Amino acid sequence: AQSVTQLDSQVPVFEEAPVELRCNYSSSVSVYLFWYVQYPNQGLQLLLKYLSGSTLVKGINGFEAEFNKSQTSFHLRKPSVHISDTAEYFCAVSGIDYKLSFGAGTTVTVRA
Amino acid sequence: DAGITQSPRYKITETGRQVTLMCHQTWSHSYMFWYRQDLGHGLRLIYYSAAADITDKGEVPDGYVVSRSKTENFPLTLESATRSQTSVYFCASSEPMPKGESSTDTQYFGPGTRLTVL
Repeated sequence: AQSVTQLDSQVPVFEEAPVELRCNYSSSVSVYLFWYVQYPNQGLQLLLKYLSGSTLVKGINGFEAEFNKSQTSFHLRKPSVHISDTAEYFCAVSGIDYKLSFGAGTTVTVRA
Repeated sequence: DAGITQSPRYKITETGRQVTLMCHQTWSHSYMFWYRQDLGHGLRLIYYSAAADITDKGEVPDGYVVSRSKTENFPLTLESATRSQTSVYFCASSEPMPKGESSTDTQYFGPGTRLTVL
């Protein structure tokens, strides 16, 4: 079984500042890692995913994440945020069974 | 419209009533999933289905029933609703990669159903 811990429940940040959302996972098998974003009153949308290959993954809207196997982490970063990045962000992990295990979520609030 | 839809978007019901949440996808994805989203818990898997007539329990299946007679539909039924089932419910679908490639793929989510049980 796999599990995910998102280390920050809320992250306030000023517009144009960088942001990092931390995610750690545990698993006894090879994993696939995902970051999803949920805007207010909407469903989840995929930001990026790591399946294999390069450990630096680039996603939509300027986000990127780095897979670190030794630290079992998959932190999400954006160098300069916009007001429109205000949302909840979920880290998720899956093994070979197609099921996702989600973290509790990190609420990002971008202030002008 | 193509994609994944859920109905109703909002539902208020009373304790003990039966409620069915609908999920429909137009991609013919093999896999479909039901999650519930609660504050502090993220999303938790209720049930999933690998194909028509194949379903399996997730992390929190108690009090829920699913069926999948057609590939495109995956209804979730609360047989006797309880207040603890007040939540936002999300349906998702995915199509696994072919054998020999990565064996998991992106899940696409519907807009959610906000259910309140009084």
